[in-house]
Amino acid sequence: AQSVSQHNHHVILSEAASLELGCNYSYGGTVNLFWYVQYPGQHLQLLLKYFSGDPLVKGIKGFEAEFIKSKFSFNLRKPSVQWSDTAEYFCAVGGGGSYIPTFGRGTSLIVHP
Amino acid sequence: DAGVTQSPTHLIKTRGQHVTLRCSPISGHKSVSWYQQVLGQGPQFIFQYYEKEERGRGNFPDRFSARQFPNYSSELNVNALLLGDSALYLCASSLTGEGPLHFGNGTRLTVT
Repeated sequence: AQSVSQHNHHVILSEAASLELGCNYSYGGTVNLFWYVQYPGQHLQLLLKYFSGDPLVKGIKGFEAEFIKSKFSFNLRKPSVQWSDTAEYFCAVGGGGSYIPTFGRGTSLIVHP
Repeated sequence: DAGVTQSPTHLIKTRGQHVTLRCSPISGHKSVSWYQQVLGQGPQFIFQYYEKEERGRGNFPDRFSARQFPNYSSELNVNALLLGDSALYLCASSLTGEGPLHFGNGTRLTVT
């Protein structure tokens, strides 16, 4: 069974700081990769996705993620965070014979103004 | 456009009871997935249905069951509730089940 690891459980940043959240998965075959975000009081929503092609994926609100197959990683980045980026971020991976996404445990990001 | 709707939003049950949670997908979406999310953890996969057929089942006991109706709405049933079933139950719809999931706001279940 595939597994997804998010190593940063809690991240606290000041506005304008750069962000990188780690995501690693266990399956070595073809994968579909996702980052979801949950803002306070809102439902989970898609931030960005990778199915194939350019491994550098751009999503909404200035976020991007890079798929590095050799490292089984799909890290999320943003050059300059804003207070409104305060949220829970979840990495999800589909693969291993089942494309039903498996989620990581999430990273809580707090951005101080 | 209406998003994924779930009902009820909150529910309190006692141990041993059963519960039925409901989900209406986005119009045109034929796949519905159910996830359980406990505090501090990511969503854990329970079931996925596509075109009324079960496509996948997570590592949950047989007390958990689900079905999808001809209009693509879905129900999640949990029998013989345990305290550990207390969680946020999320429903997500998608066109095929492999692509991006569109989540509802969830049903908060508390078992006392």
